[in-house]
Parts: sequence; C-alpha cells; structure tokens
Amino acid sequence: EPEVTQTPSHQVTQMGQEVILRCVPISNHLYFYWYRQILGQKVEFLVSFYNNEISEKSEIFDDQFSVERPDGSNFTLKIRSTKLEDSAMYFCASRDRRSSYNSPLHFGNGTRLTVT
Amino acid sequence: RKEVEQDPGPFNVPEGATVAFNCTYSNSASQSFFWYRQDCRKEPKLLMSVYSSGNEDGRFTAQLNRASQYISLLIRDSKLSDSATYLCVVNMKGGADGLTFGKGTHLIIQP
Repeated sequence: EPEVTQTPSHQVTQMGQEVILRCVPISNHLYFYWYRQILGQKVEFLVSFYNNEISEKSEIFDDQFSVERPDGSNFTLKIRSTKLEDSAMYFCASRDRRSSYNSPLHFGNGTRLTVT
Repeated sequence: RKEVEQDPGPFNVPEGATVAFNCTYSNSASQSFFWYRQDCRKEPKLLMSVYSSGNEDGRFTAQLNRASQYISLLIRDSKLSDSATYLCVVNMKGGADGLTFGKGTHLIIQP
C-alpha cells in the first residue's frame, strides 16, 4: 500500500536555526498538508497546499513557516528561526483526487523536532 | 469553546468487552467525520469514516447524530491490540481543507 514518507524521523536543532522537514506524499494525491502535535496535546492543522499554492493556513502558520513543492514528489516545511515552542511532532499528510469532502487524510510517520 | 470535544479517559476495559466513545463538535455545518487511531508517538491512522446512516467495519460501528452534533464509536469484542488513543476528527468548514482533531480518548484493554 502506498504511503506518505517523512524525513528525518528526528531532528534536533538549536533555537534560532532554520530547519526543513521533508515529505514525499502518495504519488497520485493532489492535496498536501502539514500538521503538528505538541507532546500530550491534540493534532493541530498548520497548512494545506493544492495546485502549487497554499489554500489554507492556521494561526500557528506565521511568517516563520513556509511550504514548498520543489519538484513533482517532495513537499517541504521550513521553519526559518526555530523557537523552543516549535518542539513537536510534525506530520505530513496527503489526500487523493476524489472529492476532498469525504476522502480521508493519509499521514506520514512524522518528524520529531526538538529545539534546544 | 472546544471545537471537537472528547472524554480523554483513560478507559480501562477487560478484553472481550464492548466499549463506546462519544465525541461532540461545535460547527453544525461540518460535513465530514472520521475516527482515527493513534498509537503512542505514532501518526494518526484512519480507522473509519463516519456516514450519516451509520456504518460498520468488523467489530467497529460508527454513528453520527447531526441534530445533537455528536459522533460515536463502538468497539465490540475488544482485543489487546485495540489499546490506543482514538481521535474524533471533523472537517469543520465543510470544504477541502484542514481537519479539526479532538484530543483523543485513551483506551487500555486489559487481559
């Protein structure tokens, strides 16, 4: 079964550094997402991406965050200047071509970001 | 105001028992509903979509009550492997984008 893959599985960085989290969505999917989950908290929506542009973003997704689909397979999340509170598990997800109303998200196995 | 609300548990249930979870959501315009399962420090995995007429998948039954804005999940003949956190997930805006997650209900099946 095709799956969403994320790298690295764990990233440790110092406060103020830039990080790029990488994702390869399922190949025929068109809608891409980033979510995050702070330890012990709920999964929170960050941003959605369709047709090479952001379609929606949450309040969390401020100017420090950006997303890019640099080629036909990768989807990246960049945090320009990391803060301690950015420490979380970051999940990439994708959705297929069917009506996005009811088609579920398929999640990658996450990147655990630790900011020290 | 919590958008998707769940009892966090934990629910401690003996193996073989039936267990039910409920979830309430705040936006009456919500269109899509799902139950996801999340194991400790892993990604959420789709358990089942929830349809208006209710639906069943093996030991799992999901129900939707639009008038009361709640969703339920019933697990019959529970197995040790059912131990996990069950996430109620709603597309609050009825459109293409971000899903809203509940914080989850933690289930522990005891031998």
